[in-house]
Amino acid sequence: KNEVEQSPQNLTAQEGEFITINCSYSVGISALHWLQQHPGGGIVSLFMLSSGKKKHGRLIATINIQEKHSSLHITASHPRDSAVYICAAALYSGSARQLTFGSGTQLTVLP
Amino acid sequence: DARVTQTPRHKVTEMGQEVTMRCQPILGHNTVFWYRQTMMQGLELLAYFRNRAPLDDSGMPKDRFSAEMPDATLATLKIQPSEPRDSAVYFCASGLADFSEQYFGPGTRLTVT
Repeated sequence: KNEVEQSPQNLTAQEGEFITINCSYSVGISALHWLQQHPGGGIVSLFMLSSGKKKHGRLIATINIQEKHSSLHITASHPRDSAVYICAAALYSGSARQLTFGSGTQLTVLP
Repeated sequence: DARVTQTPRHKVTEMGQEVTMRCQPILGHNTVFWYRQTMMQGLELLAYFRNRAPLDDSGMPKDRFSAEMPDATLATLKIQPSEPRDSAVYFCASGLADFSEQYFGPGTRLTVT
């Protein structure tokens, strides 16, 4: 079973700061996902990546397969970025789909 | 504005009762996922369908849970009989291929007393 660790658990930042959330996993994966869960509970899929880097607006996700590590960066953070960010390691084997979630990082961006 | 819908949004029931949660995936999406979220366990994948066929439900307790897709516009998750430990938020998500860019529904908050 894959173990997925996220750090930090909680993060408070001032508006405008550069933010990094880390995710590490214990076994090889097919893909790594980043999700955002809003204070109201809604979940948005941010990225799926299996190598390299992806960028969407102020969000950047990177993955290092050899080191079994992924990071989510937020540039020029804003209070509306306040949410829980969750990484999930996906492993596909035939029709089986194993998806192991991290425990989440609670981000609070202060104005 | 296409979105995944789930009904009911909230359900309170007594232990032993049957609970059915419904999900309408986005039209044209061929993969559907059921997740459960609790404070203790976080998010867990319960079941995964592609083209209405169940591909993986290894995350689901088989004795009391069942998931089906009677047609392309409806996915159901049933618990019979329900237990207090089933209290959680159940999310449905749909997508076009495996886990890539899933669209999540608003969730069903289930409380079993």
